[in-house]
Amino acid sequence: QVQLKESGPGLVQPSETLSLTCTVSGFSLTSYSVSWVRQPSGKGPEWMGRMWYDGDTAYNSALKSRLSISRDTSKNQVFLKMNSLQTDDTGTYYCTRVSVRKPPFDYWGQGVMVTVSS
Amino acid sequence: DIQMTQSPSSISVSLGDRFTITCRASQDIGNYLSWYQQKPEKSPKLMIYRATNLEDGVPSRFSGSRSGSDYSLTINSLESEDTGIYFCLQHKQYPWTFGGGTKLELK
Repeated sequence: QVQLKESGPGLVQPSETLSLTCTVSGFSLTSYSVSWVRQPSGKGPEWMGRMWYDGDTAYNSALKSRLSISRDTSKNQVFLKMNSLQTDDTGTYYCTRVSVRKPPFDYWGQGVMVTVSS
Repeated sequence: DIQMTQSPSSISVSLGDRFTITCRASQDIGNYLSWYQQKPEKSPKLMIYRATNLEDGVPSRFSGSRSGSDYSLTINSLESEDTGIYFCLQHKQYPWTFGGGTKLELK
């Protein structure tokens, strides 16, 4: 059974760094890519970046200077770090499985709400 | 970046009606387009992939089509469970981009 679950702080101070973890089960990170997608409240989603199955990464150019995605395959975890957070970074952050057969996102995590506020 | 212009942004539809949502791509995306349904406080759910392929378990009243740079999601005979917000997503070129969403409500 494929599952993805995001975890991390619900509240981040402006200018600080956001660190999120996506823990997956039911598939291997060396066979599937994982992406991060965020969604401000009441708005459309935004693709943030991708951890490829081979360890390579791709980032949304709008976020690239602030964003880093990494992984620990032994723990079945993918990590997101984004620095210099501002209030417009508030929203729900999802990790998603990238499927080759049913592209791009066939499974989503439940999401984690992140609020940037002092 | 490829812009996905989705219309309408919201609509109220009666049970049993036929309804179509359209996303227009600013560049050629081939059929690298998928459709997602999102219920309140829930994660998006894959409905259609590669423009025309129905995801497993999605009712056959849903269908996807393409005409040039316009991609459409059609719901035949709307049911109450179909309400929610629908998004298109292009994955032809980075950054992958979503449409602005269509909020579907019942009249």
